[in-house]
Amino acid sequence: AQKVTQAQTEISVVEKEDVTLDCVYETRDTTYYLFWYKQPPSGELVFLIRRNSFDEQNEISGRYSWNFQKSTSSFNFTITASQVVDSAVYFCALETSGSRLTFGEGTQLTVNP
Amino acid sequence: DAMVIQNPRYQVTQFGKPVTLSCSQTLNHNVMYWYQQKSSQAPKLLFHYYDKDFNNEADTPDNFQSRRPNTSFCFLDIRSPGLGDAAMYLCATSREKLFFGSGTQLSVL
Repeated sequence: AQKVTQAQTEISVVEKEDVTLDCVYETRDTTYYLFWYKQPPSGELVFLIRRNSFDEQNEISGRYSWNFQKSTSSFNFTITASQVVDSAVYFCALETSGSRLTFGEGTQLTVNP
Repeated sequence: DAMVIQNPRYQVTQFGKPVTLSCSQTLNHNVMYWYQQKSSQAPKLLFHYYDKDFNNEADTPDNFQSRRPNTSFCFLDIRSPGLGDAAMYLCATSREKLFFGSGTQLSVL
């Protein structure tokens, strides 16, 4: 069975602080994909990144960076110099065979001015 | 331009009164999904279609049904909504990643 754990239910930071959102996953599949989605108050889920299980290179996109470590089954997301517009719920998700996506419970990030 | 379109944005129905939620896509993707998301919870998969092949999740209540008349459109029918069915319903399509619509927030009175 697949499982995604986001241990941080809520995080609150002050603007310009760096913040890391944790994600730990469980699967027996050797081929899988990991995702991060952002859900702002408007409700739409916005795709941020997709990473396959064979690519452990870390990725940086502007203020966003992702650290994928298979040894610890983690796929953590860091926002550098956070901004108020980053306030949202962030979901980590795992896709295995059969195109089924399993979401974590989400982390509510609040960035205060 | 929106690629996955859900109508309406907000839907109010009465307890036990059938309701249909709509989703259309301009991406021509084979796979379409319906997710249910309750407040402060993760989205939960209800069904997915691969072309016309329908896949029902084991724990999706019988009260929920779906139709996909063609590639572009997909419908979620709730035959007898209960108070516990109040939620955000998200439609998505897939090619390498899920593209979500903005959702329909369903209220049951």
